Amino acid sequence: SQKIEQNSEALNIQEGKTATLTCNYTNYSPAYLQWYRQDPGRGPVFLLLIRENEKEKRKERLKVTFDTTLKQSLFHITASQPADSATYLCALVQNAGNMLTFGGGTRLMVKP
Amino acid sequence: DAGVIQSPRHEVTEMGQEVTLRCKPISGHDYLFWYRQTMMRGLELLIYFNNNVPIDDSGMPEDRFSAKMPNASFSTLKIQPSEPRDSAVYFCASSTGSDQPQHFGDGTRLSIL
Repeated sequence: SQKIEQNSEALNIQEGKTATLTCNYTNYSPAYLQWYRQDPGRGPVFLLLIRENEKEKRKERLKVTFDTTLKQSLFHITASQPADSATYLCALVQNAGNMLTFGGGTRLMVKP
Repeated sequence: DAGVIQSPRHEVTEMGQEVTLRCKPISGHDYLFWYRQTMMRGLELLIYFNNNVPIDDSGMPEDRFSAKMPNASFSTLKIQPSEPRDSAVYFCASSTGSDQPQHFGDGTRLSIL
């Protein structure tokens, strides 16, 4: 069966460190992968999109990698800040069709 | 530009009642999506529209759920009759294309007693 797995346990890190979140998928051939941030009581907010032929994408302190061999995407936040504390969701789009399928999300807590 | 607007933000009602959730997508976005989010199942796609036409409703739980998009600026998700297991946060999102980022509203928190 198809699965998108993100660590359901919260990730706690110290301010200034690099946070690394993992998204693993099974039985998908995604055309691209997106990362979203969700704050309590709010809808998800788009952060980055990476396509299957791209290995890495950067935006300011954010970096996403996409390894189709390992079937994994890593999401990095460098020089993390308490304001980065939120739940981060990965989502896949299959080659065929327009549907976006979300992982369960990982909660990140950055402590001052 | 205003983002995706959903109403109401909160809805509490008794089981058996009809519930209507509303969404106004971002102007110019051709795609509209309805999602449901729970702790147990995460964020699930219920249905999506392209140019006001429903494309895929395979995520709709059962016949009690229905969605319409009468025009490019308005969509509704209706539950009739509602049941306690329908309690969740319902999100609407819109985008300009299938591979473009989706813009979400802040959701409707639905509680069925």
